[in-house]
Amino acid sequence: EPEVTQTPSHQVTQMGQEVILRCVPISNHLYFYWYRQILGQKVEFLVSFYNNEISEKSEIFDDQFSVERPDGSNFTLKIRSTKLEDSAMYFCASSGTGWFPEAFFGQGTRLTVV
Amino acid sequence: AQSVTQLDSHVSVSEGTPVLLRCNYSSSYSPSLFWYVQHPNKGLQLLLKYTSAATLVKGINGFEAEFKKSETSFHLTKPSAHMSDAAEYFCVVTTGAGGTSYGKLTFGQGTILTVHP
Repeated sequence: EPEVTQTPSHQVTQMGQEVILRCVPISNHLYFYWYRQILGQKVEFLVSFYNNEISEKSEIFDDQFSVERPDGSNFTLKIRSTKLEDSAMYFCASSGTGWFPEAFFGQGTRLTVV
Repeated sequence: AQSVTQLDSHVSVSEGTPVLLRCNYSSSYSPSLFWYVQHPNKGLQLLLKYTSAATLVKGINGFEAEFKKSETSFHLTKPSAHMSDAAEYFCVVTTGAGGTSYGKLTFGQGTILTVHP
């Protein structure tokens, strides 16, 4: 069964460093998303991406964040100058088309900023 | 705007007894609603979805949910809990296609289901 894969599963980084979280969406999907879940809080939408550009982003997704689909298969989330409050589980998802597309999620990357 | 409220942060049941996880939603448009499950160290897996067809939706592993527009509810049920059902469950809403919000999901805060032998 096709699945979304994320790497790494855990990432520890020092405050102020840049991190790149990687995702391989399902191959025939056209829409890609990043969500995050801070410990004890809701899963929050960060950004959606379609046709090589951002289609929507939340207020969380400021200039510190960027997304890219560098090679037609990977989908990355870059966080520049990480802060302690960026510590969270980050989920990648992808979906096909249709009126109510089902989103398929990866297993998540746990980011810890120290 | 859309939002989801899961009424219980924790639910504890005995194996073999019914499960009820409660969810209320708010949406400006006709919503689509989902239940996702997350087992420890696993990704989010779709249990079932409502997309304006039948109001009673059957999902995987014996779970069902009923869309009640008058009550703005989408509660998840299972007649008989199994130990393997222990996980965190998320009720999710989307308003579907159109505009820039295509596919954007809004999550409830999650309900942790514990199943006792």
